Amino acid sequence: DAGVIQSPRHEVTEMGQEVTLRCKPISGHDYLFWYRQTMMRGLELLIYFNNNVPIDDSGMPEDRFSAKMPNASFSTLKIQPSEPRDSAVYFCASSLRGPMGTDTQYFGPGTRLTVL
Amino acid sequence: SQKIEQNSEALNIQEGKTATLTCNYTNYSPAYLQWYRQDPGRGPVFLLLIRENEKEKRKERLKVTFDTTLKQSLFHITASQPADSATYLCAPEEERSYIPTFGRGTSLIVHP
Repeated sequence: DAGVIQSPRHEVTEMGQEVTLRCKPISGHDYLFWYRQTMMRGLELLIYFNNNVPIDDSGMPEDRFSAKMPNASFSTLKIQPSEPRDSAVYFCASSLRGPMGTDTQYFGPGTRLTVL
Repeated sequence: SQKIEQNSEALNIQEGKTATLTCNYTNYSPAYLQWYRQDPGRGPVFLLLIRENEKEKRKERLKVTFDTTLKQSLFHITASQPADSATYLCAPEEERSYIPTFGRGTSLIVHP
């Protein structure tokens, strides 16, 4: 398996523009997570899905952020409109619930977003 | 509120020595605790998972301990190598939450 795939790897945009980040999880995994990482706040969980259904979006900073998972092999994170404070590295991760209920998460390479 | 504490200062050690990283947590009752490694420009990579009923777990040169009384996990790398230089994140997970929460990580620098 190629692992978790994210695109684009780098995105530079201007304030006010719409940004869409994409993720392809590992085939067969039933959980998908979106994280944001900054020096100030570390790795923050934004939202996660189970079997394509959003379970907890309490980490989504505000209404400008939205996430979808239309099928088991694709998810998007959209920011509209983008602001400079959204600049961060965004990671997608997927996992398969283990028999003991544990989750080992497999992370993608991340998308480095810069909003000017 | 729940808090996970890892040393924010980088740990500098000489090659061949044992590196010990600390993860302390408060207002948590984790059933599991995971450790991940993150290299610059990459996503975290899973290393080890330890359960609350396990005092110690080993994998090659890595050893993790889990003390639920002290609310602490220690991560050891023996015979450290420059290639071990990275940021290491701990991630406790409560029973039935199924979602680990990540600490901010500690940077390890192994000098040749």
